[in-house]
Amino acid sequence: AQKITQTQPGMFVQEKEAVTLDCTYDTSDPSYGLFWYKQPSSGEMIFLIYQGSYDQQNATEGRYSLNFQKARKSANLVISASQLGDSAMYFCAMRGRSSNTGKLIFGQGTTLQVKP
Amino acid sequence: DTAVSQTPKYLVTQMGNDKSIKCEQNLGHDTMYWYKQDSKKFLKIMFSYNNKELIINETVPNRFSPKSPDKAHLNLHINSLELGDSAVYFCASSVAGTVLDGNTIYFGEGSWLTVV
Repeated sequence: AQKITQTQPGMFVQEKEAVTLDCTYDTSDPSYGLFWYKQPSSGEMIFLIYQGSYDQQNATEGRYSLNFQKARKSANLVISASQLGDSAMYFCAMRGRSSNTGKLIFGQGTTLQVKP
Repeated sequence: DTAVSQTPKYLVTQMGNDKSIKCEQNLGHDTMYWYKQDSKKFLKIMFSYNNKELIINETVPNRFSPKSPDKAHLNLHINSLELGDSAVYFCASSVAGTVLDGNTIYFGEGSWLTVV
């Protein structure tokens, strides 16, 4: 069975500082993809970043980077230079090879609040 | 132009009613999904369609019936609504492919269903 765990229900960060949101996963699939989504208070789900299990380098997208540690089964999201607009709920998700149909398994989410 | 659009955004209805949520994507994707986000913000897949064919049905009550008239549309019809159906329903779409393609799943803005 596949599982995503986000152990931080809520996080605070000062504006302009970096923050790491934790995500651990469990899967028996040899191939899988890891995703992060942002859900602001307006409710939409916004794709942020993707990491494939065979990717040699950590994924980066602008101020977002994914700290992928395969042996530890962790895929932490790092947001650099936090902005007030980063305040939102963040979801880690996984898609295994057995889910080529596209099914995403989501974690419980982490609420991030950026302080001015 | 909204890539994945769903209507209505808000829906308040009485128990026992039948309602539909419509979804359209203009991304040219082959695969569409319905996800449900409960009151604790947990997201879980309900259905997935690939080229109008049902490929995932995640133990959803048969009061929920998806219909895909073409690959750009996936509607969700709910019969005999119950209080527990109150949730946010997200439509999503993606290109078909292997998990390592990183084919991102793009979400609509969500439909807030409240059953009273």
